[in-house]
Amino acid sequence: DIVMTQSPDSLAVSLGERAAINCRSSQSVFYSSNNKNYLAWYQQKPGQPPQLLIYWASTRKSGVPDRFSGSGSGTDFTLTISSLQAEDVAVYYCQQYYSTPWTFGQGTKVEIK
Amino acid sequence: QVQLQESGPGLVKPSQTLSLTCTVSGDSISSGGFSWSWIRQPAGKGLEWIGRVYASGATYYNPSLESRVTMSIDTSRKHFSLKLTSVTAADTAVYYCARGFYSDSEGDGSFDIWGQGTVVTVSS
Repeated sequence: DIVMTQSPDSLAVSLGERAAINCRSSQSVFYSSNNKNYLAWYQQKPGQPPQLLIYWASTRKSGVPDRFSGSGSGTDFTLTISSLQAEDVAVYYCQQYYSTPWTFGQGTKVEIK
Repeated sequence: QVQLQESGPGLVKPSQTLSLTCTVSGDSISSGGFSWSWIRQPAGKGLEWIGRVYASGATYYNPSLESRVTMSIDTSRKHFSLKLTSVTAADTAVYYCARGFYSDSEGDGSFDIWGQGTVVTVSS
């Protein structure tokens, strides 16, 4: 299984400031034949299901605010919130869909400082 | 607008079988380009992918649960199902169904639509 490890487990950021969450996979999730990283980011608010933010490591889902961006390749990835808003308080998960079983990171809780 | 809705018993006794159904509305479950997954989340914990099924009926399971899991799809009734046998307290969780992208050129993709989830408690 590919193990996904996120860091930090939690972070507190002031409103309007930048938040960055890291995700590392135990093996590469980059598929060279199509030049894609099989990595997604989700946001989960309390009592709600996860919602897709980013797929193919850096493609923002339609309707997701552009303050959310994804970067990285191979085994190291980052989700960045450029200017934290109150509605961004949530737990964020990375997920690999490169190989079965699909696996998630343990989650990173983002709070307001 | 595609929506997914989980249904099934909220309480299951230990050693019995957990059975859940996910009903898809707003689009055809038999159209190509998607897989249909079950994912669970114990209270206060992370997400665990259980398995997926395609409109063709092909299935892939998490090896950690494979001996106890069966998934199926009924395209005429627009739903897919999960059966998990010999449950224990460790199977207590919120169970989500979700839709994943699929294409011949890129293979499987991320989960773009999720159900609201259903709480299943294993207890006598």
